[in-house]
Amino acid sequence: ETGVTQSPTHLIKTRGQQVTLRCSSQSGHNTVSWYQQALGQGPQFIFQYYREEENGRGNFPPRFSGLQFPNYSSELNVNALELDDSALYLCASSRDRSNTEAFFGQGTRLTVV
Amino acid sequence: AQTVTQSQPEMSVQEAETVTLSCTYDTSESNYYLFWYKQPPSRQMILVIRQEAYKQQNATENRFSVNFQKAAKSFSLKISDSQLGDTAMYFCAFILYNFNKFYFGSGTKLNVKP
Repeated sequence: ETGVTQSPTHLIKTRGQQVTLRCSSQSGHNTVSWYQQALGQGPQFIFQYYREEENGRGNFPPRFSGLQFPNYSSELNVNALELDDSALYLCASSRDRSNTEAFFGQGTRLTVV
Repeated sequence: AQTVTQSQPEMSVQEAETVTLSCTYDTSESNYYLFWYKQPPSRQMILVIRQEAYKQQNATENRFSVNFQKAAKSFSLKISDSQLGDTAMYFCAFILYNFNKFYFGSGTKLNVKP
């Protein structure tokens, strides 16, 4: 157990809908990063939040957005879902922005139909 | 561009034997950390081992060790005395100093057979 929890574990949505995924970071961690892992691939960086502000973004369109709350938990929002958004979404929390000691959650499996 | 290549999509090993997973990476930076993560069917990424690029000595964690060749940009993982619980996807990754994101390879699926 890493102390990082994600909800829900599985989700099925229809193309065009919106979805919110949640991540509770490990105690004492102020940084949360989100990754998309398509089937058979390695995770791809979506963005990072540090102390409630976005601190870097990968090559994802603006319909992928996020939030970090004062308790350092985080949300990933995806609007106008597309079939290609079907993937495992992982969050990782760390004590600082460097991510050299990052702990991952178990992921949310999103299926878009 | 930063890339990670894992050329072995799938490998098998008998229980108690030794297996080596390969990883090469590309970056023009000289300061970075390298990682091997394990992802079992439970999906959670678990850190196996970490190596700081400025350290010449290869990292070791119990049955897991790495062979880090900085000039060749190679970072292989050796698993000794393989156990059934080692069955998982293994991802090689790195992070640049002062940057905030992991670059992951595509993974190697390891099957440990009884």
